[in-house]
Amino acid sequence: AQSVSQHNHHVILSEAASLELGCNYSYGGTVNLFWYVQYPGQHLQLLLKYFSGDPLVKGIKGFEAEFIKSKFSFNLRKPSVQWSDTAEYFCAVERTGGFKTIFGAGTRLFVKA
Amino acid sequence: KAGVTQTPRYLIKTRGQQVTLSCSPISGHRSVSWYQQTPGQGLQFLFEYFSETQRNKGNFPGRFSGRQFSNSRSEMNVSTLELGDSALYLCASSIDRATDTQYFGPGTRLTVL
Repeated sequence: AQSVSQHNHHVILSEAASLELGCNYSYGGTVNLFWYVQYPGQHLQLLLKYFSGDPLVKGIKGFEAEFIKSKFSFNLRKPSVQWSDTAEYFCAVERTGGFKTIFGAGTRLFVKA
Repeated sequence: KAGVTQTPRYLIKTRGQQVTLSCSPISGHRSVSWYQQTPGQGLQFLFEYFSETQRNKGNFPGRFSGRQFSNSRSEMNVSTLELGDSALYLCASSIDRATDTQYFGPGTRLTVL
């Protein structure tokens, strides 16, 4: 069965620090990969997605993620975080054409001003 | 463009009852997915509908069911409620899951007493 593992459940950073959130998945076939974010009191929203092509994907608000197929990883990065990035981040994967999204447990990021 | 709407937003039921939750997708979106979010299990996929057909389902008991109408609105039903069904139920819509982003609604918070 597919599964998604997020390495950190809680991360605390100071403003301007760099961010990297790890995500690994278990599935050997072709996958679509996603990072979602849930800001306090808001809906879950898409940060970025990878379907095919360039494995380095750029999303909203300066976030990017790199798909490394050999490592089954899709890590999220941001060079300089802001207080407004405080949120919960979810990595998700679905088998291409499977229409079933599997989410990781989430990482709560707190950015100190 | 209006977002995904879910009704009701909050619901309190007692064990053994049944409940129906409703989701209205973004206009033009034909795919609707449902998820259960709990602190212990995180976000779990329930099922996905496209043009009134269920294309995939998650690992939930048969008490959980859903349907989609010709206008793409979707309902999910939970029968014989258990305490463990207390959760936030999220609906997400997309034009077509194969290629398009999912947009999430605010969720329905179900409490089972």
